[in-house]
Amino acid sequence: QVQVQQSGPQLVRPGASMKISCKASGYSFTNYWMHWVKQRPGQGLEWIGMIDPSDSETRLNQKFKDKATLTVDKSSSTAYMQLSSPTSEDSAVYYCARGDYGNHVGFPYWGQGTLVTVSA
Amino acid sequence: DIQMTQTTSSLSASLGDRVTISCRASQDISNYLNWYQQKPDGTVKLLIYYTSRLHSGVPSRFGGSGSGTDYSLTIANLEQEDIATYFCQQGNTLPWTFGGGTKLEIK
Repeated sequence: QVQVQQSGPQLVRPGASMKISCKASGYSFTNYWMHWVKQRPGQGLEWIGMIDPSDSETRLNQKFKDKATLTVDKSSSTAYMQLSSPTSEDSAVYYCARGDYGNHVGFPYWGQGTLVTVSA
Repeated sequence: DIQMTQTTSSLSASLGDRVTISCRASQDISNYLNWYQQKPDGTVKLLIYYTSRLHSGVPSRFGGSGSGTDYSLTIANLEQEDIATYFCQQGNTLPWTFGGGTKLEIK
């Protein structure tokens, strides 16, 4: 069955580098785009961007163009999101979610979420 | 960006009730409207895609309808396990955007 497994919670110092991983299984990793979504405490969901694992083509929400970098490792079926120069505004739960054909019809498979806390 | 508005942020209903949650887009999204359920533990699941199509494994008491800018999610015969927050999301135009969510509670 399709599974998307994320890395564990992180405590990050402001300005330090951080990276979240998202390991996919149960399907052909290169056939579907992977999406990333942010949720601040008590808030709604915000789409960060998506990456095509077959060729690493990336589409980012302009709001995150200077913040998020999306990459993949096809050999391990793992997607990554790196956040640059984290601030308290980046403290949130981050989800990865597999898209579906065309990406217009939602994200049928979600990871469990990764809590990122940015604090000195 | 397309703005998605869920005017009801919280809703209280009784077990067995029929519940309707609404979502409005700032422009026509051509039925590319998806609904998600987020449980209190943070787990997110796709319920409905393309306005009214049920995702695999979702109980038939969930249904969706709408067109243009106005859409709704209906839950027939509310069950305890339906306690969650529900989000709409448009898939018509990048960036994909979500509504603010409607938290469903038991009366």
